[in-house]
Amino acid sequence: AQKVTQAQTEISVVEKEDVTLDCVYETRDTTYYLFWYKQPPSGELVFLIRRNSFDEQNEISGRYSWNFQKSTSSFNFTITASQVVDSAVYFCALSEARRIQGAQKLVFGQGTRLTINP
Amino acid sequence: DAGVIQSPRHEVTEMGQEVTLRCKLISGHNSLFWYRQTMMRGLELLIYFNNNVPIDDSGMPEDRFSAKMPNASFSTLKIQPSEPRDSAVYFCASSLLQGAAFFGQGTRLTVV
Repeated sequence: AQKVTQAQTEISVVEKEDVTLDCVYETRDTTYYLFWYKQPPSGELVFLIRRNSFDEQNEISGRYSWNFQKSTSSFNFTITASQVVDSAVYFCALSEARRIQGAQKLVFGQGTRLTINP
Repeated sequence: DAGVIQSPRHEVTEMGQEVTLRCKLISGHNSLFWYRQTMMRGLELLIYFNNNVPIDDSGMPEDRFSAKMPNASFSTLKIQPSEPRDSAVYFCASSLLQGAAFFGQGTRLTVV
């Protein structure tokens, strides 16, 4: 069975600090996808990144970066120089990748509520 | 391009009434997911479709819930009869093949 664990329920930092959100996953599949989504106070779920299990290169997008380590089954998310607008709940998710065409279900972690204080 | 569109955004109904939530997929997407979000249980997958065919409905709570895709771009989630414990935010998401799933704004359902 697939499982995603976000051990940090809530994190609070002061603006401009760097912050890392942890994500640990479990799957028996050798091929899978990992995702991060952001849910701001307005409530919508915003897609941030999708990573294939074969691609362990770290990724950077502006102030956001992701560290994928297959050896520890982790896909951590770092925000550099945090801003108040980064305050949101962040979800890590996992889906299987099948040869059969079509999507597979996303299994979400419980989310980490990040508060950036001015 | 328009994203996933859900309606209504908010719904308040009395216990026992039928509720229908609607979702329009992103044009060209062929997979559709219905999720429910509550404080207690987080984000739960209810059902998903590929090419209009239900693939996994194991998350549907019980027979009171049903979902359909009458065409490739539209889906409904119906609850009949509704109960207070159904109160939650219901999200619809669509994707193309195994690409990222894009979510709608959600429908906040309150059953009193």
